Amino acid sequence: DIQMTQSPSTLSASVGDRVTITCRASQNIRTWLAWFQQKPGKAPRLLIYKASTLETGVPSRFSGSGSGTDFTLTITSLQPDDFATYYCQKYNNFWTFGQGTKVEIK
Amino acid sequence: EVQLVQSGAEAKKPGESLKISCQASGYNFSTYWIGWVRQMPGKGLECMGIIYPDDSETRYSPSFQGHVTISADKSINTAYLQWSSLKASDAAIYYCARQRGDGAGPGDWGQGTLVTVSS
Repeated sequence: DIQMTQSPSTLSASVGDRVTITCRASQNIRTWLAWFQQKPGKAPRLLIYKASTLETGVPSRFSGSGSGTDFTLTITSLQPDDFATYYCQKYNNFWTFGQGTKVEIK
Repeated sequence: EVQLVQSGAEAKKPGESLKISCQASGYNFSTYWIGWVRQMPGKGLECMGIIYPDDSETRYSPSFQGHVTISADKSINTAYLQWSSLKASDAAIYYCARQRGDGAGPGDWGQGTLVTVSS
């Protein structure tokens, strides 16, 4: 089974900061990689798919990159609404999530 | 508009059976994979399994194989997750989600079903 490893587990940042979250797959998944945002009590929200395609309606400060085994989610200027937990997920053949990264207020 | 509407919260005792549902609308239910995702209190997302309703092909995570059953009834556009004997450790929020056909992954989610298991 393919494992997805995210880092860091927790990230403390301030409004306006540039934030980067990484995700590593244990095998080559090409670009079958999605990023989700989840807030307490809510279902996950799709942000990025195919590693770098921005979902409709998602602000352009979010971007994704990578292919194969190494991927990155970047938030260029952190906004108050962005404090949440972020998950990567590979979705070809089966779905596997990373363990999550909580973005906290510094 | 695509919608996934899940059944309501459940309070059960250990050893009891349970079947929760996810009713889809706004798209051709048969031809898109649907998955069930568990979120235990304060923890991350875990995919339990996915199903293709047209032929009911189902793929389970090894962690959940044998403990739950995923099914779908395409005549009523509904997917199901069921347990024959609940454990206290099954207490969680369960989400259904649809994998979109444009290679986008699970872009549509249900609102979640809270399952509590306590004696």
